[in-house]
Amino acid sequence: EPEVTQTPSHQVTQMGQEVILRCVPISNHLYFYWYRQILGQKVEFLVSFYNNEISEKSEIFDDQFSVERPDGSNFTLKIRSTKLEDSAMYFCASSYRVRSGNTIYFGEGSWLTVV
Amino acid sequence: KQEVTQIPAALSVPEGENLVLNCSFTDSAIYNLQWFRQDPGKGLTSLLLIQSSQREQTSGRLNASLDKSSGRSTLYIAASQPGDSATYLCAVRNAGGTSYGKLTFGQGTILTVHP
Repeated sequence: EPEVTQTPSHQVTQMGQEVILRCVPISNHLYFYWYRQILGQKVEFLVSFYNNEISEKSEIFDDQFSVERPDGSNFTLKIRSTKLEDSAMYFCASSYRVRSGNTIYFGEGSWLTVV
Repeated sequence: KQEVTQIPAALSVPEGENLVLNCSFTDSAIYNLQWFRQDPGKGLTSLLLIQSSQREQTSGRLNASLDKSSGRSTLYIAASQPGDSATYLCAVRNAGGTSYGKLTFGQGTILTVHP
């Protein structure tokens, strides 16, 4: 079964460093998302991306965050200058469309630890 | 603002029991509702998606129902097995506006099925 793949599975970074999390969405999907889950908290929406632009973002997704689809297969989340509170599991997700019958599929996550 | 709540927060049952997990949401204007399973430190596996026009969906031993007007969904697991032990998450996608697939998650129900 097709799946969303994410790399790295775990990254430790120093506060203030830039981090890029990578994702390969399911190949025929058109909509891409990033979510995050701080330990012990709910999964939270960060951003959705369609047709090479951001279609919606949450208040969490400030100027420190950016997303990019650099080629036909990868989808990346960049955090410019990491803070301790950015430590979380980051999930990439994709869907074929956004109609009511379309499932959103999630990857295994990238666990980011900022020290 | 949509809020999703899941009850109970944790549930421990002996193998073979039938069980019900509950999810409630505050804004009934939704496109769909998805139930996910999350194993510790892992990604989100989609179990069932119910569209707003549907009342229930079934997959194997799982049955999910939706009562949109009252803002409730239940996930019924028949003949539970130790392999069902995981956190079960409910997520809704709001209708209208410029929502491009943003999901709002509950905090999850931690299920333990003991032999």
